[in-house]
Amino acid sequence: AQSVTQLDSQVPVFEEAPVELRCNYSSSVSVYLFWYVQYPNQGLQLLLKYLSGSTLVKGINGFEAEFNKSQTSFHLRKPSVHISDTAEYFCAVNTGFQKLVFGTGTRLLVSP
Amino acid sequence: GAVVSQHPSWVICKSGTSVKIECRSLDFQATTMFWYRQFPKQSLMLMATSNEGSKATYEQGVEKDKFLINHASLTLSTLTVTSAHPEDSSFYICSARQYGYTFGSGTRLTVV
Repeated sequence: AQSVTQLDSQVPVFEEAPVELRCNYSSSVSVYLFWYVQYPNQGLQLLLKYLSGSTLVKGINGFEAEFNKSQTSFHLRKPSVHISDTAEYFCAVNTGFQKLVFGTGTRLLVSP
Repeated sequence: GAVVSQHPSWVICKSGTSVKIECRSLDFQATTMFWYRQFPKQSLMLMATSNEGSKATYEQGVEKDKFLINHASLTLSTLTVTSAHPEDSSFYICSARQYGYTFGSGTRLTVV
């Protein structure tokens, strides 16, 4: 079975600073990895995904993530955050079959 | 891009009544839809997976008779919370799968 760990429940950061949100996964087979963002009282929006190929994945809103198979990680990064990036971020994994397995989420708090 | 419309966005109902939530894929056919429940400041918990024309597959611990899921067409799935109680109050999110996963905007259910 797959599992996802997001160790940081909350990450405070100042505007224009860089940020990294950590995600580690566990799986005995090859996985597909996703990062989603959720704004209050809204659904989830896909930021980026890793299916295969280049381990550095670029997504929307200036975010990128790097798949590291040896460390079973898929950390999300942004070089310079904005106030509008304040939201909940979820890492998710699946093996190409049906279900997405989500991490517990990381709340990114960007302050001026 | 793929759009999933979820209605209503919020609903308040009296204890003991039933509430229906609709999830429509607007510009694609979704053979598989997922229903999630999200408690405040927590991750998404998969409730069930529905395939068009067949019975939904419920996750362990989810009451089938309380959370009725119907996936009668390739563009519509419904979740009915029967005999709702205050503990059913939550944020419910649907997701439709075609080539990826597209999420609805969620429904805030409050049972009073």
